[in-house]
Amino acid sequence: DIQMTQSPSSLSASVGDRITITCRASQTISNYLNWFQQKPGKAPKLLIYAASSLQSGVPSRFSGSGSGTDFTLTISSLQPEDFATYYCQQSYNTPRTFGQGTKLEIK
Amino acid sequence: QLQLQESGSGLVKPSQTLSLTCAVSGGSISSSGYSWSWIRQPPGKGLEWIGYIFHSGTTYYNPSLKSRVTISIDRSKNQFSLKLSSVTAADTAVYYCARAYSGSYLDYFDYWGQGTLVTVSS
Repeated sequence: DIQMTQSPSSLSASVGDRITITCRASQTISNYLNWFQQKPGKAPKLLIYAASSLQSGVPSRFSGSGSGTDFTLTISSLQPEDFATYYCQQSYNTPRTFGQGTKLEIK
Repeated sequence: QLQLQESGSGLVKPSQTLSLTCAVSGGSISSSGYSWSWIRQPPGKGLEWIGYIFHSGTTYYNPSLKSRVTISIDRSKNQFSLKLSSVTAADTAVYYCARAYSGSYLDYFDYWGQGTLVTVSS
């Protein structure tokens, strides 16, 4: 299985901050990397697919980059509704695997 | 707008079989280019992919669960189902169904159900 490791596991930030979350794959996955946002009691929501493509309807303050084994999710200016847990996920092969999550909290 | 809705028993006894169904509306489960997955999330923990099925009936399961999992598709009812046998307390989780778009160099879960909590307890 491909292991996905996110860092940090938790992050405190303020509205207006720029933040970056990192995801590392245990082997190369090309650009088969997706990012999700999950709020309490809700299903995950797709933000970024294929490492850097913004899903329709997702604000442009979200961006993704990377290829191979190292990837980042950046939020350019945090809004109150962005405080949630973020997961990366590889779709390079089966079993599909997710990172352990990064909880973004208000400072 | 595609919608997915999970249904099934919310309480299952240990050693019994968990059964869930995902009803798909607003689109056809028989459309090519998509797979249909089950994903679970134990309380307070991360996401675990269980497996998926294509409209053809081809399935792929997580090896960690493969001996206990069956995913099937009912095209006439536009739904797919999950059976997980010999459950234990470790199978207590919110279970999600989701659609994945599978294209050239792309594969991502774009639609999810709202999730259903299944508790394994006597």
